[in-house]
Amino acid sequence: KAGVTQTPRYLIKTRGQQVTLSCSPISGHRSVSWYQQTPGQGLQFLFEYFSETQRNKGNFPGRFSGRQFSNSRSEMNVSTLELGDSALYLCASSSPSTGGGVYEQYFGPGTRLTVT
Amino acid sequence: AQSVTQLDSHVSVSEGTPVLLRCNYSSSYSPSLFWYVQHPNKGLQLLLKYTSAATLVKGINGFEAEFKKSETSFHLTKPSAHMSDAAEYFCVVSNTGNQFYFGTGTSLTVIP
Repeated sequence: KAGVTQTPRYLIKTRGQQVTLSCSPISGHRSVSWYQQTPGQGLQFLFEYFSETQRNKGNFPGRFSGRQFSNSRSEMNVSTLELGDSALYLCASSSPSTGGGVYEQYFGPGTRLTVT
Repeated sequence: AQSVTQLDSHVSVSEGTPVLLRCNYSSSYSPSLFWYVQHPNKGLQLLLKYTSAATLVKGINGFEAEFKKSETSFHLTKPSAHMSDAAEYFCVVSNTGNQFYFGTGTSLTVIP
């Protein structure tokens, strides 16, 4: 099976712009989670989508949003970019969950976003 | 509430010697615990997971971890370090909502 793929791998944007990142989960996985990784804050949970619905949300401002499509692919959008949004954004997918239980997450290689 | 504390931000060992990376957890529920490894400029790879079965969990690349409820610990060990083990290691706790809480990471250096 192919792993989790993320596009683009690298991105440079200017303050005030917006950006959309894409994640394709492992085939059959219905849960997709997004994380922000920075040297100062470590790995922080952004949100999780399951069957096109946001199921969990971390403590990030409303500038960070996401969605999931019927084929489980997910996008993350950041509007009005700030310098502090520079980070590695990781996407992870999980095997099918009926709403309970915990399944290991499989991570993509990440998108490195640089805001100048 | 769930959280993990990785007790060492950096560990340095000589090649061929044992590795011990320490993790304590806090969880309101019976936790699920994981260890992930991240090599430079790469995504995270699952090393092993504990989900209330055997308390001694064996993972990939010779790593294992022991769940100790009385000590709220889930330390990662390996009998003999290899150069390729040099990486960042993350301890993770999760609840039934499938939300992951990451530790701050331990950077492992292996000295030849």
